Amino acid sequence: EQQVQQSPASLVLQEAENAELQCSFSIFTNQVQWFYQRPGGRLVSLLYNPSGTKQSGRLTSTTVIKERRSSLHISSSQITDSGTYLCAKRGSALGRLHFGAGTQLIVIP
Amino acid sequence: DPKIIQKPKYLVAVTGSEKILICEQYLGHNAMYWYRQSAKKPLEFMFSYSYQKLMDNQTASSRFQPQSSKKNHLDLQITALKPDDSATYFCASSQVGGHNNQAPLFGEGTRLSVL
Repeated sequence: EQQVQQSPASLVLQEAENAELQCSFSIFTNQVQWFYQRPGGRLVSLLYNPSGTKQSGRLTSTTVIKERRSSLHISSSQITDSGTYLCAKRGSALGRLHFGAGTQLIVIP
Repeated sequence: DPKIIQKPKYLVAVTGSEKILICEQYLGHNAMYWYRQSAKKPLEFMFSYSYQKLMDNQTASSRFQPQSSKKNHLDLQITALKPDDSATYFCASSQVGGHNNQAPLFGEGTRLSVL
């Protein structure tokens, strides 16, 4: 069973528009991590958000544990935001993350 | 200046051969991991090592063998390669223990194609 589901699978925005990415979990979790994967593959950690709302620059994540979901809001999108956004749930084992399939974001001029 | 170095970046292999993927980290972390990302599946956890000891193995096949010669090295040996092994393999590391709860930091990956 896929523990982490992400939607939408892909999203095309015009520059300066806002993006809303969703992540849902098959089980309750308070250990949610958002990553950005650059075209070419490197993963960059964006936000760790166990619950509530966390902000980092133009990124805002909201995790609602009882609803088993987390969202990532990107405001005023830029072309350089293009790439894949991955949501992950931390597992009980050391260093183990369960990833969703990702949302591919394309920002066009 | 990458702190987690994976070599090679690209690798092409023939079915049935054996390859070793190299990973070194210069972050002083005490735990290292391997993940795999293929076209068919999301990024998935394979192994975790701490202080050069295997902590968790989620790889069903014994064809995948991690090797840790030094505490900042965790290589991945893959034997009897199959086309389904084609994927990008990511090495990651983190500091664990005490109050540390940081997410793993990832290397750039080795993209393996098995023909």
